[in-house]
Amino acid sequence: GEDVEQSLFLSVREGDSSVINCTYTDSSSTYLYWYKQEPGAGLQLLTYIFSNMDMKQDQRLTVLLNKKDKHLSLRIADTQTGDSAIYFCAETNDYKLSFGAGTTVTVRA
Amino acid sequence: EPEVTQTPSHQVTQMGQEVILRCVPISNHLYFYWYRQILGQKVEFLVSFYNNEISEKSEIFDDQFSVERPDGSNFTLKIRSTKLEDSAMYFCASNPQGNQPQHFGDGTRLSIL
Repeated sequence: GEDVEQSLFLSVREGDSSVINCTYTDSSSTYLYWYKQEPGAGLQLLTYIFSNMDMKQDQRLTVLLNKKDKHLSLRIADTQTGDSAIYFCAETNDYKLSFGAGTTVTVRA
Repeated sequence: EPEVTQTPSHQVTQMGQEVILRCVPISNHLYFYWYRQILGQKVEFLVSFYNNEISEKSEIFDDQFSVERPDGSNFTLKIRSTKLEDSAMYFCASNPQGNQPQHFGDGTRLSIL
């Protein structure tokens, strides 16, 4: 089955860039997603990328996709305290989503 | 912005009892989903639903689980006889078409005693 892996924790200083990495195994993935989960809240769609793209930028967020290595990353520029959350990578090729375990990002002053 | 809404936010139920979790998907969406997240584990797909029938289900979605769209707005997940291991956060999601991004509700935390 599909497998999505992420590092579990990231600590970053306020104002620096954060980079969250994800690897996946399904070579037929069509879309890859980043979701954000704040404490006690649901999964908020942050951004997504189609598998035939290698980069997508949306304000402070940059998604990079290396399809050959099946590696996805999310860069958050100028990280703020409000960016502290769990970030989930997910992939799909047949409508259902397969999620990674989530990366807990802690922003320190 | 339209949202997926889920009720209740927290449900506590005795083992063996039936429980119904409710979701109101975004109004123009046609595809609906349930996922669950056991504490400390990954978010797992349970079932997808389109055109009033299940389109796909996972191994987790056994005979104890059922889904229904009883009217034009609600989408429900029923667990017939709950077990301790059903304790989890249950998320509902929807999208306009199956290959578009899914939008999630805030989840229902189900605690089985």
